[in-house]
Amino acid sequence: AQTVTQSQPEMSVQEAETVTLSCTYDTSESDYYLFWYKQPPSRQMILVIRQEAYKQQNATENRFSVNFQKAAKSFSLKISDSQLGDAAMYFCAYRSAMDSNYQLIWGAGTKLIIKP
Amino acid sequence: NAGVTQTPKFQVLKTGQSMTLQCAQDMNHEYMSWYRQDPGMGLRLIHYSVGAGITDQGEVPNGYNVSRSTTEDFPLRLLSAAPSQTSVYFCASSYSNSLPQHFGDGTRLSIL
Repeated sequence: AQTVTQSQPEMSVQEAETVTLSCTYDTSESDYYLFWYKQPPSRQMILVIRQEAYKQQNATENRFSVNFQKAAKSFSLKISDSQLGDAAMYFCAYRSAMDSNYQLIWGAGTKLIIKP
Repeated sequence: NAGVTQTPKFQVLKTGQSMTLQCAQDMNHEYMSWYRQDPGMGLRLIHYSVGAGITDQGEVPNGYNVSRSTTEDFPLRLLSAAPSQTSVYFCASSYSNSLPQHFGDGTRLSIL
C-alpha cells in the first residue's frame, strides 16, 4: 500500500523569505500523480500544485514550485517570497494513475506560520 | 458554477442518532468521494463512487453508508452516531483520476 509522510509538523518563515516543505512517499507503481493542497483556517482545501510522475520537469505555479525526485520518492514544495496569506496547513497527496483507482493518499500535513 | 456544495456546515448529534450529510456537484464529475479529517492526520477515505449506481468502500467505511442515484449527488449517512465519528467531513469530486479533486467546504460534526 502507498504511504505519504510529511516529517515537519510545523514550519515558520519570515515574510518575503523562502521556505521548503518536505514530503516523501512510498509506492511500487511507476505512474502516479502528486499534489500539494493548502488548507487555510477557513477549512477549504485548495490545490496548490500538481506533478505527473512521468514528467521529469518540476511543476511551477507562480511563487510555488516543487522538487520532484522520483528515485528518492521525494516531493518537496518551495514557496518563494512568502506572504501572510500563505499561512495554512499544507498537505501532500498521492494518487495512482491506474484508471480504476481515484483514491488520494494523504500526508499528515505541515502547519506553515508566516512571521511578519 | 457552485462547485462542490456540502450541507450542513456544522452539526451536533447525540450518540445513537442518525443523519445524512449532503454533497452535490454541478460539474458533471463522475468521481465523488467522502473523507474525514481528524487532528494530526491526513484525510482518510470513507467511501467513493465512480459513477451513478456505483459505490465502493475506502479506508474507513464502518458506520457509514452511501448511495449514488444521480451524477450530481452523493450523500453520506451515519447510521448510529458514535463519539469516534466526531470529525470534519469533506466531499470531493473530479472528472478523471489525472485531474485534481475539487473539495467542498467541509462539515464539522460533533457527536456527544
